Amino acid sequence: EAQVTQNPRYLITVTGKKLTVTCSQNMNHEYMSWYRQDPGLGLRQIYYSMNVEVTDKGDVPEGYKVSRKEKRNFPLILESPSPNQTSLYFCASSPGHSYEQYFGPGTRLTVT
Amino acid sequence: AQSVTQLGSHVSVSEGALVLLRCNYSSSVPPYLFWYVQYPNQGLQLLLKYTTGATLVKGINGFEAEFKKSETSFHLTKPSAHMSDAAEYFCAVSDWSGGYQKVTFGIGTKLQVIP
Repeated sequence: EAQVTQNPRYLITVTGKKLTVTCSQNMNHEYMSWYRQDPGLGLRQIYYSMNVEVTDKGDVPEGYKVSRKEKRNFPLILESPSPNQTSLYFCASSPGHSYEQYFGPGTRLTVT
Repeated sequence: AQSVTQLGSHVSVSEGALVLLRCNYSSSVPPYLFWYVQYPNQGLQLLLKYTTGATLVKGINGFEAEFKKSETSFHLTKPSAHMSDAAEYFCAVSDWSGGYQKVTFGIGTKLQVIP
């Protein structure tokens, strides 16, 4: 089944404790992206990647890191999480910008 | 820089009534436009998309949207609302920006369907 998977689905952590949210897709898509969703703000792009080793900042990259060492994986790293990073995070993949994105199920992160 | 404006963060319609969700965009190049739907506690899924060609686009669940370049709009409509249409709807634009492809979403419109 074609899908985007994210892990974990739910995470509660404390300020400053490094964490990684994994994202994997099995559709051989070149384009992958991370978003955060906050009430009243919609989805905001954090980082995106056009292919292996090619990444760029989205609209809200501060406090986040990404890497794209393999085509299928695009992990999101929070080196020192803060409470303002409490949010619902979505990973998405696409064959290209003229195509729709396929979204993962989301990761709900709470930073205390 | 591209942007998306969705007018009305909350829209209520009666069951059987017309659904109209508004989306205006700005883009420096011909855009690709999308509507996504998010049901509670789920990820987003594609409703419909405009890339090139016919400006009236039909999607799933009876929804359709019309690309109007002169008005920079891509409004979503459905002739008759069902209870199952209650969800949040997002308009999105995709284009090349500074040599990189970029996708921008609107803030979303929550649709309430009243029995």
